[in-house]
Amino acid sequence: EIVMTQSPATLCVSPGERATLSCRASQSVNSDLAWYQQKPGQAPRLLIYGASSRATGIPARFSGSGSGTEFTLTISSLQSEDFALYYCQQYNKWPPRYTFGQGTKLEIK
Amino acid sequence: QLEESGGGLVQPGGSLRLSCAASGFTFTNYWISWVRQAPGKGLEWVGNIKYDGSEKYYVESVKGRFTISRDNPKNSLYLQMSSLRGDDTAVYYCARDAYRARYFDLWGRGTLVTVSS
Repeated sequence: EIVMTQSPATLCVSPGERATLSCRASQSVNSDLAWYQQKPGQAPRLLIYGASSRATGIPARFSGSGSGTEFTLTISSLQSEDFALYYCQQYNKWPPRYTFGQGTKLEIK
Repeated sequence: QLEESGGGLVQPGGSLRLSCAASGFTFTNYWISWVRQAPGKGLEWVGNIKYDGSEKYYVESVKGRFTISRDNPKNSLYLQMSSLRGDDTAVYYCARDAYRARYFDLWGRGTLVTVSS
């Protein structure tokens, strides 16, 4: 099983500042990496797929980068609605053995 | 959209069937997954089913206990769960596997399953 490790577990950032979230895979997943945002009581929402492609309707302040085992989600100028939980997910293997990271909680500083 | 139903309280060792109703897209074009989230925990992929129902895959921890099925004329997906354990307690989401891809681009609101005596 590919283990996904996110860091930090909690990130405190002020509105308007940049946030950088990390995700590491225990083995290469190429660019088969997605990011999701989840707010309390809501389902996850797809932000990024293919490591760096924004999903439909996602603001340009969200960007993804990386390949292989190291990935980053950057939110360039935090808005109040961005404070939430963020998960990475790999989908490299077939038959499917999709796995998620444990999440990073983005909090207001 | 996707809308789950059928969650509730069930005793350990019991069974439960979840449903997921799809609308607004061509259901028969997509693989669909079940993803769960234990209280206060992260996300875990449970399994998925091919658009025609001919292939199904499961996470190791539910193999032999959970079965995914679909009824395409009814635009519906099901998760039959048996031999339930306390660690199956979670919100269960149905999620659409993106077209010809394997991330999840549409999610339901989820339904809570609680396994407890």
